[in-house]
Amino acid sequence: DQQVKQNSPSLSVQEGRISILNCDYTNSMFDYFLWYKKYPAEGPTFLISISSIKDKNEDGRFTVFLNKSAKHLSLHIVPSQPGDSAVYFCAVGGGSNYKLTFGKGTLLTVNP
Amino acid sequence: KAGVTQTPRYLIKTRGQQVTLSCSPISGHRSVSWYQQTPGQGLQFLFEYFSETQRNKGNFPGRFSGRQFSNSRSEMNVSTLELGDSALYLCASSSGTGGVRTYEQYFGPGTRLTVT
Repeated sequence: DQQVKQNSPSLSVQEGRISILNCDYTNSMFDYFLWYKKYPAEGPTFLISISSIKDKNEDGRFTVFLNKSAKHLSLHIVPSQPGDSAVYFCAVGGGSNYKLTFGKGTLLTVNP
Repeated sequence: KAGVTQTPRYLIKTRGQQVTLSCSPISGHRSVSWYQQTPGQGLQFLFEYFSETQRNKGNFPGRFSGRQFSNSRSEMNVSTLELGDSALYLCASSSGTGGVRTYEQYFGPGTRLTVT
């Protein structure tokens, strides 16, 4: 029973264009939503978060959008750079259970 | 600030043995979480500690245990190792003090455990 789904295992975009990564969740109890980036042989790196009281949060080239009614969040990267090539995980938390539940990840490849 | 450190980085053990992994959180962080990453299951939550107390535990058998020391460093132990325990074990730290800061977790590089 997957509570967090990233339906696209991979995504390929051209350098300079927008990358849009998507994530769906099932439990409306979640309060916090995060995105992580992971390179091979490294731990995940925290990118950006958003709480359930907001619908958008921006940090430089990264913007996270939250649609609570659809239980959907997305990460926009503009402009995409080759160094952004990595696996991106969405994660959700909340309900004071002190844990993150992760999606299975999307491999982003940014082509020069 | 130094990041989260984990030791050892690589480990090879035999079925039936036990193993202890160590994690030092970011200075000032009081919450330490452990996750198991495998190709099939992805990242799965093991347990979380705050001020030496376990606040939550994932769906893993009792062979998986952990503890946290007064300096916030944490260890996890796996007893009677099975082949299926081969995985990347990740430790993450956060301030743990509430709100979004609790969930903004910063990960170490992981310990790659291979059970033969």
